[in-house]
Amino acid sequence: GAGVSQTPSNKVTEKGKYVELRCDPISGHTALYWYRQSLGQGPEFLIYFQGTGAADDSGLPNDRFFAVRPEGSVSTLKIQRTERGDSAVYLCASSQTSGNTEAFFGQGTRLTVV
Amino acid sequence: DAKTTQPPSMDCAEGRAANLPCNHSTISGNEYVYWYRQIHSQGPQYIIHGLKNNETNEMASLIITEDRKSSTLILPHATLRDTAVYYCIVRVAGGSNYKLTFGKGTLLTVNP
Repeated sequence: GAGVSQTPSNKVTEKGKYVELRCDPISGHTALYWYRQSLGQGPEFLIYFQGTGAADDSGLPNDRFFAVRPEGSVSTLKIQRTERGDSAVYLCASSQTSGNTEAFFGQGTRLTVV
Repeated sequence: DAKTTQPPSMDCAEGRAANLPCNHSTISGNEYVYWYRQIHSQGPQYIIHGLKNNETNEMASLIITEDRKSSTLILPHATLRDTAVYYCIVRVAGGSNYKLTFGKGTLLTVNP
């Protein structure tokens, strides 16, 4: 596709449930990033993939959060035992692998835990 | 990465130049200045970046002071569609890690 695609655009889930958020990066982009944005705040870094491997997962808040990118393209962010505090917009971005190229962001998935 | 300071909000009249300031007094010699913006309900959008020279592209101009402790993003003829939160970010140059540390940014409101 022309841009980064994230699905679903909105997700409402009950506390304690498991959710998966999907990101389709721009074709050919080897770097992929997940960010989380709470209301009124700037996006916060969660995890970075270079190819299939997670090169930096320092932003994942706890072990309920996990992300995969098995074939180096599509990525899935997985949240177990969701809590109300997980409610936020989850943003995915991709970029080419070179030092200072721009990152292209998707529209985000708005997750609401009730 | 060094921190940045931006005013929380600014107003600009449509058609006028919008000048958005950013302070980054602790910036290191190998850190670039990046600007992104986020229109309501959309993901952030890259605008421009620079190291020490002034930069211009089709969207904006970036003016970096000689000591690199501050910069200004200039939208030469603001339109209503430029209403957004503008983020100033400093980032270490080189490598393939593109981690961006966003602050709260400046909410620019362009008024008719």
